[in-house]
Amino acid sequence: AQSVTQLGSHVSVSEGALVLLRCNYSSSVPPYLFWYVQYPNQGLQLLLKYTSAATLVKGINGFEAEFKKSETSFHLTKPSAHMSDAAEYFCAVSVPNTGFQKLVFGTGTRLLVSP
Amino acid sequence: ETGVTQTPRHLVMGMTNKKSLKCEQHLGHNAMYWYKQSAKKPLELMFVYSLEERVENNSVPSRFSPECPNSSHLFLHLHTLQPEDSALYLCASSQGGTGQGDTQYFGPGTRLTVL
Repeated sequence: AQSVTQLGSHVSVSEGALVLLRCNYSSSVPPYLFWYVQYPNQGLQLLLKYTSAATLVKGINGFEAEFKKSETSFHLTKPSAHMSDAAEYFCAVSVPNTGFQKLVFGTGTRLLVSP
Repeated sequence: ETGVTQTPRHLVMGMTNKKSLKCEQHLGHNAMYWYKQSAKKPLELMFVYSLEERVENNSVPSRFSPECPNSSHLFLHLHTLQPEDSALYLCASSQGGTGQGDTQYFGPGTRLTVL
């Protein structure tokens, strides 16, 4: 069965520091993987997605993620954190053969950015 | 309006009340979703509609009743809820079909409190 695990419910960084949010997946078939961000009092917004093309995926707001099959990972990074990056981040994997897009989400990682 | 809208944004109801949540998408999508977001738990998929036909009912109690009158509107009718049903209810839409690589677009959610 498809699943994702996000290590660390909270990650704290200083403004300007590297952001690294971890996601490991389990999938019986080549996966489709997603990172979504949720700002306070808002819904989720897609940051980026891996759909079996390039393994390094660039998203919005300077974020990128690298698909590593050997490590079953899809970690999210940003070279330099900004205060506006403070939010909750969700990794998700798509379940195949359902006739519609069914996503399984991780429990989320809250990113805290200090000045 | 653009994107996915949800009303009301906040709702407080007693266990014997009947209320409805409304979702509207202005993106021309064919699939719509209801999710439940509770603290410290992954997003839970509740219902999926594809071309106005319900294609997923994820073991949701019958006190939640969805309705999709057309591809732009989705409702969640609530009755005799329990306090543990208090959560953020998110609506999403996507292009539809079997595209695992689809992007889901989320509304801002309805914060529901059951007293």
